[in-house]
Amino acid sequence: SQQGEEDPQALSIQEGENATMNCSYKTSINNLQWYRQNSGRGLVHLILIRSNEREKHSGRLRVTLDTSKKSSSLLITASRAADTASYFCATETYGNNRLAFGKGNQVVVIP
Amino acid sequence: DTAVSQTPKYLVTQMGNDKSIKCEQNLGHDTMYWYKQDSKKFLKIMFSYNNKELIINETVPNRFSPKSPDKAHLNLHINSLELGDSAVYFCASSLRAGDYGYTFGSGTRLTVV
Repeated sequence: SQQGEEDPQALSIQEGENATMNCSYKTSINNLQWYRQNSGRGLVHLILIRSNEREKHSGRLRVTLDTSKKSSSLLITASRAADTASYFCATETYGNNRLAFGKGNQVVVIP
Repeated sequence: DTAVSQTPKYLVTQMGNDKSIKCEQNLGHDTMYWYKQDSKKFLKIMFSYNNKELIINETVPNRFSPKSPDKAHLNLHINSLELGDSAVYFCASSLRAGDYGYTFGSGTRLTVV
């Protein structure tokens, strides 16, 4: 099954800076979703962007989707220590009824 | 009120034992899932139920058997536990199958010794 794949990196930034992470996938999708996972916790849904959308915002989060390049990015603006977490992208293909997750990006925000 | 709750949170057991993990959601969602997260944090779907009906059964050993008595509950029973079953198991739900975000439980960390 097709999977979202983040650029496998750990990102360490200062509080107040912006954090950007990318995700690529291999086949056509119905939607792409971003999740956050704090250490030892479950995943929290952040944003869902559909294949016919190019950009979506939610608070300090901005997600872009480029279906021609099969890639997405998540931008967190004005980061806070509480944003320290792993971030996962996940894709859903038509009729597949499941999310395929990427490997996750560890983000550390230093106060 | 916890939206998706799993019990137990931690489970330590010996090889060969049988164990169950319970999951309940109070969101009124139609679809529930079991995911397995390995030590490298990779998440893989195991099962999905829609209104008590099994709709996804990934390549999972027969030792794993899900049961959904009603659409608010999805339990996972594991027979003859093996060392390789050690992982974090997450239950999740979505309003319907397809095109909705998932709500995850806090996970059950299973350690087989």
